[in-house]
Amino acid sequence: DAGVTQSPTHLIKTRGQHVTLRCSPISGHKSVSWYQQVLGQGPQFIFQYYEKEERGRGNFPDRFSARQFPNYSSELNVNALLLGDSALYLCASSREARSITEAFFGQGTRLTVV
Amino acid sequence: QKEVEQDPGPLSVPEGAIVSLNCTYSNSAFQYFMWYRQYSRKGPELLMYTYSSGNKEDGRFTAQVDKSSKYISLFIRDSQPSDSATYLCAISKTSYDKVIFGPGTSLSVIP
Repeated sequence: DAGVTQSPTHLIKTRGQHVTLRCSPISGHKSVSWYQQVLGQGPQFIFQYYEKEERGRGNFPDRFSARQFPNYSSELNVNALLLGDSALYLCASSREARSITEAFFGQGTRLTVV
Repeated sequence: QKEVEQDPGPLSVPEGAIVSLNCTYSNSAFQYFMWYRQYSRKGPELLMYTYSSGNKEDGRFTAQVDKSSKYISLFIRDSQPSDSATYLCAISKTSYDKVIFGPGTSLSVIP
């Protein structure tokens, strides 16, 4: 079985631009969570979606938004990019809303804002 | 005060050594305690989790939780070069709640 896949793996954007990151969960997994990992720090929770509904939101500005599609894939959108948005963006999927024991992470999307 | 703190290292040990990785947390409401391993340029991988206090063993890895002192540990026995990675502790109040990660400890096991 394929693991969690994220695309693109790397991208470079300019300040003020918009970016869309994509995540395909493991087959059969209905929950997707997004995390931001700044270099040298642990991942920080952004959103959790389950069955296309937002189940949790971290302490991020409204420039960050996400959605989940009927096939359980997900997009993370970031508007008006700032230099501080440069980070590894991780997607994790789990079978149900339970995010602890079954969470599997993708390899992440490395976003660089210049 | 941060919710979870972890010595970032880096930690360098010879092959075969016993490694001790530690975290402290601030809120006694946390009930789930996880350890993740993250190789360079990869996403984190869940190693093991414990609920409430106590020990849990999986092969060469042992996780310990001391809720009275809000202290969690991961021990790696007979460390191998393949254990070289960043180890992240993480906590959560419930199995459905958001996971809060520590900053990670970078470990190098030298052959």
